[in-house]
Amino acid sequence: RKEVEQDPGPFNVPEGATVAFNCTYSNSASQSFFWYRQDCRKEPKLLMSVYSSGNEDGRFTAQLNRASQYISLLIRDSKLSDSATYLCAVKRDDKIIFGKGTRLHILP
Amino acid sequence: DAGVTQSPTHLIKTRGQQVTLRCSPKSGHDTVSWYQQALGQGPQFIFQYYEEEERQRGNFPDRFSGHQFPNYSSELNVNALLLGDSALYLCASSPGTGYYEQYFGPGTRLTVT
Repeated sequence: RKEVEQDPGPFNVPEGATVAFNCTYSNSASQSFFWYRQDCRKEPKLLMSVYSSGNEDGRFTAQLNRASQYISLLIRDSKLSDSATYLCAVKRDDKIIFGKGTRLHILP
Repeated sequence: DAGVTQSPTHLIKTRGQQVTLRCSPKSGHDTVSWYQQALGQGPQFIFQYYEEEERQRGNFPDRFSGHQFPNYSSELNVNALLLGDSALYLCASSPGTGYYEQYFGPGTRLTVT
């Protein structure tokens, strides 16, 4: 079992819809959590860090559930420009582990 | 303000050869991490450099080594290249070792034939 798992998708979602991704992690010693966005053939870009209390940045909301060991990303009012691969990442023992990513296609 | 830069952009090498990839961090960042990203996979952590020392290492063999210079720039060296080393190699910098505010460079695409 991979330490960080994500549904690879693709998620095909109409523009304006709300979409949610989950990411599960297996090591309870994981300390910090992140969501990255990666466009095709580009580098990953940090979207947001995920805090225990949950956090929101515009249309994006991230949540952490330590008891069930998952993090989530919610995108509201999705735009065509949100089409990308979304990577979750977990910091453990000062190393960072990425999931394989979830592909999102926003349909016009 | 220049972001993270990497060179070269693309590289083709033959099995058994050695390669050196270079990274300059974003201004104000003192920590550099290296990742390998195979097609369809997430980035795999190779190692992190801080204060010119390897601070953490992922599950990569000793063929992968690195260096950080006093100006915080870094090199990744891979010896005895294998076909399986073909990947996008990403460098990321951050202000400190916590991975908060980690910025990636555009990567070096290495093809081993």
